[in-house]
Amino acid sequence: EAGVVQSPRYKIIEKKQPVAFWCNPISGHNTLYWYRQNLGQGPELLIRYENEEAVDDSQLPKDRFSAERLKGVDSTLKIQPAELGDSAVYLCASSSPLYGYTFGSGTRLTVV
Amino acid sequence: GQQVMQIPQYQHVQEGEDFTTYCNSSTTLSNIQWYKQRPGGHPVFLIQLVKSGEVKKQKRLTFQFGEAKKNSSLHITATQTTDVGTYFCVGALRSGTYKYIFGTGTRLKVLA
Repeated sequence: EAGVVQSPRYKIIEKKQPVAFWCNPISGHNTLYWYRQNLGQGPELLIRYENEEAVDDSQLPKDRFSAERLKGVDSTLKIQPAELGDSAVYLCASSSPLYGYTFGSGTRLTVV
Repeated sequence: GQQVMQIPQYQHVQEGEDFTTYCNSSTTLSNIQWYKQRPGGHPVFLIQLVKSGEVKKQKRLTFQFGEAKKNSSLHITATQTTDVGTYFCVGALRSGTYKYIFGTGTRLKVLA
C-alpha cells in the first residue's frame, strides 16, 4: 500500500501568485481531508470530502482557496492569489474506521 | 464550539524519566485517537480508543480513555530520545458521519 501521496513536497512562490497541491489518498478510502498546519500548532481542517462531495468546508477561506475531488479519488487544493500568511504545511489525509487518519508527507508552502 | 485541550503544551524530560500528556474534551467523544508527529514530519497514527475506561499498551506507551469518554491520557515509561515529537489527541464526534477535532498537542523534548 503506497500510503497517501502528496506533491509537490515543497513550493516557494511570490505573493499574489497561484499555487496548487495534489493528493492521492489510500485506495478505497472514501474520506479525504485537507489540513493546514502552521509551525508549532496542530493541523487545522480546511475541507473534508466523502467521495466527491465536500461535506465540511466551513474552515476553507473561499475567497482565495478552492478544492476539488472530481472522481472521488485524487484531490487538488488551490490558492489564488497566495498571501504571505498562507505559508504553512498543507497536509492531505484519508481515513478508515479502524486505523484513523493516514497523512501524506505534506506540501511545505513558502510565500515570499 | 467543541474543543479538545491538551496539557502540558511543552514538556522537557531527562532520558529515562516518565512522561504523561492529558487530553480533555468539552463534549463526550465517540472515540479518541493519538498521533505522534516528529519534527519536520507528519502526524502518524498510534492508537484508537473506543470504550469507556479502555486502557491499551504499546511497549512503553500506555493509553487510557476516561469513564465519561471526555478525557484521555498517554503515558510513556522511561522515555528515550526517539520519543521526541509532538503528541496529538484527536477526538471523534459522531453525528451522521464522524467529525474529528485535533487537540492542541504536547511537544516532548527528551534530554540525553
